[in-house]
Amino acid sequence: GNSVTQMEGPVTLSEEAFLTINCTYTATGYPSLFWYVQYPGEGLQLLLKATKADDKGSNKGFEATYRKETTSFHLEKGSVQVSDSAVYFCALERDTGFQKLVFGTGTRLLVSP
Amino acid sequence: EADIYQTPRYLVIGTGKKITLECSQTMGHDKMYWYQQDPGMELHLIHYSYGVNSTEKGDLSSESTVSRIRTEHFPLTLESARPSHTSQYLCASSEAGTVRGETQYFGPGTRLLVL
Repeated sequence: GNSVTQMEGPVTLSEEAFLTINCTYTATGYPSLFWYVQYPGEGLQLLLKATKADDKGSNKGFEATYRKETTSFHLEKGSVQVSDSAVYFCALERDTGFQKLVFGTGTRLLVSP
Repeated sequence: EADIYQTPRYLVIGTGKKITLECSQTMGHDKMYWYQQDPGMELHLIHYSYGVNSTEKGDLSSESTVSRIRTEHFPLTLESARPSHTSQYLCASSEAGTVRGETQYFGPGTRLLVL
């Protein structure tokens, strides 16, 4: 079946540290992959996405590359800020006919000054 | 900026009461979704809709029901609330079509506590 596995949190970093949040997936075919972010007290919002192998999604200094050979979509940022503190969800698009998303369990990021 | 709204944001209610969670979007999206987010943060799809008069159950069995009489409105109803319904409920929408990698736009959520 389709599933997403992401690293457990919380991830605690100091400001300006390098961030990696691991995400691997299991799916039939080649699904589109997403990172959504949920700030405290808010709904989710799209951070970045990639629709085919070797695509790199990027936004707000975050990047992730669709790696078919390792079935991974790891999220990275070179220098985190306190404002990046949030919960990050990796997701795959299961069914292109109706865009059903399968989400990972979320990884909480805490950035201290 | 997404224009999708949910009311109420917070609701505390007693067991056995009927409740309706409202969700509206002004983007003209045909597809709408309801997710249940448990305290461990995991999201589960409980209902979705292709458009007016179309509703389907999602992956997680839910005692709630939904309706889609207008494109912009997708309310969720619990006929008799129970403590097991305590959760956060997130509404989302996306455009019609079969384009790969469509973005889903989420509302701010409703936190429900059933006593």
